[in-house]
Amino acid sequence: AQSVTQLGSHVSVSEGALVLLRCNYSSSVPPYLFWYVQYPNQGLQLLLKYTSAATLVKGINGFEAEFKKSETSFHLTKPSAHMSDAAEYFCAFGGSQGNLIFGKGTKLSVKP
Amino acid sequence: NAGVMQNPRHLVRRRGQEARLRCSPMKGHSHVYWYRQLPEEGLKFMVYLQKENIIDESGMPKERFSAEFPKEGPSILRIQQVVRGDSAAYFCASSPPTVYEQFFGPGTRLTVL
Repeated sequence: AQSVTQLGSHVSVSEGALVLLRCNYSSSVPPYLFWYVQYPNQGLQLLLKYTSAATLVKGINGFEAEFKKSETSFHLTKPSAHMSDAAEYFCAFGGSQGNLIFGKGTKLSVKP
Repeated sequence: NAGVMQNPRHLVRRRGQEARLRCSPMKGHSHVYWYRQLPEEGLKFMVYLQKENIIDESGMPKERFSAEFPKEGPSILRIQQVVRGDSAAYFCASSPPTVYEQFFGPGTRLTVL
């Protein structure tokens, strides 16, 4: 069965520090993978997506993610955290019918 | 180009009442998806619709829940005889044909008293 696991429900970093949010997937077919961000009481905004082109994907707001097939991972990174990055981040896998399978989310806190 | 629109943004119902949630996809998008987000959990897929067709409803509870996407007008998620466990945020997403990317609406937050 296809699934997505996000390690760490809460991550806290200092402003200016590296952000690393982990995502692993389980699938027997080549995946479509996505990272979304959700601010409080809002909908989801697409950060970036992997669709079998380049393995290093650059997204909005300085985020990027690297697809590693051997590790079945798609971790999200940002070199330098900003206070405005505080939000909840969801990794998602494109299911066979077009629906998205989401991880449980990681809440990112940024300390001044 | 307006984004995905959902209304109402907040909905309060008493147990046993009906809830109707509406979703207008982005212009040019013919695919609509509904997801439910329970507190402290990720989004769970409920149903995938195209105009006048239900493509995949594998995530829909078997009873009380139904969805439609008519030829004209918004997609509607209907919950009959709501219970407290239905309290959640319900998100709609849309996509154009052949594009593997979904655009989300702001959600409807349903509270069942």
